[in-house]
Amino acid sequence: QKEVEQDPGPLSVPEGAIVSLNCTYSNSAFQYFMWYRQYSRKGPELLMYTYSSGNKEDGRFTAQVDKSSKYISLFIRDSQPSDSATYLCASVNSGNTPLVFGKGTRLSVIA
Amino acid sequence: EAGVTQSPTHLIKTRGQQATLRCSPISGHTSVYWYQQALGLGLQFLLWYDEGEERNRGNFPPRFSGRQFPNYSSELNVNALELEDSALYLCASNPRGPNEQFFGPGTRLTVL
Repeated sequence: QKEVEQDPGPLSVPEGAIVSLNCTYSNSAFQYFMWYRQYSRKGPELLMYTYSSGNKEDGRFTAQVDKSSKYISLFIRDSQPSDSATYLCASVNSGNTPLVFGKGTRLSVIA
Repeated sequence: EAGVTQSPTHLIKTRGQQATLRCSPISGHTSVYWYQQALGLGLQFLLWYDEGEERNRGNFPPRFSGRQFPNYSSELNVNALELEDSALYLCASNPRGPNEQFFGPGTRLTVL
């Protein structure tokens, strides 16, 4: 079993929809959770960074971590065509160690 | 503040050749990570350098190697290139302590 599982999609939604992206992980030692956005032919861009369980909000984006069920979510409100990208979840157990990535979910927001 | 930079943007090689990829971290960042992003496989961790030392390596053969220079920039070398080495190679950096890794734009390596 891969340490971080993510549905690759593709996911297609109309503009203005609420998008829910999800990952599960298997390593109980993971403490830090990130979401990256990657546009085509570009490097990943850090979107959200959370420590342990709970919610974190930044503008239209909300990251949620439930350590009891080993579930990571990213919600995008009022989705825009510019949100069309691949979204990667990543986890790690301690400082200065390599991230473990999901395979990414490809999102298309249709105008 | 300048982000992570990588060169070259694209690299085309033939089987058996060697490739050298370069990365400059964000100023003040001491750790550099290399990842391979091959089609359908997601990001796979390759190598981690900190303070000039190799700290960890992923599940890749020894022909993948690198080094970190005193100014914290880094080089990834891939010897005896194989077709399946074709991928986007990403470099990331972070300051000592926090886990927020910041990525460069990548080098797209094509092996013919």
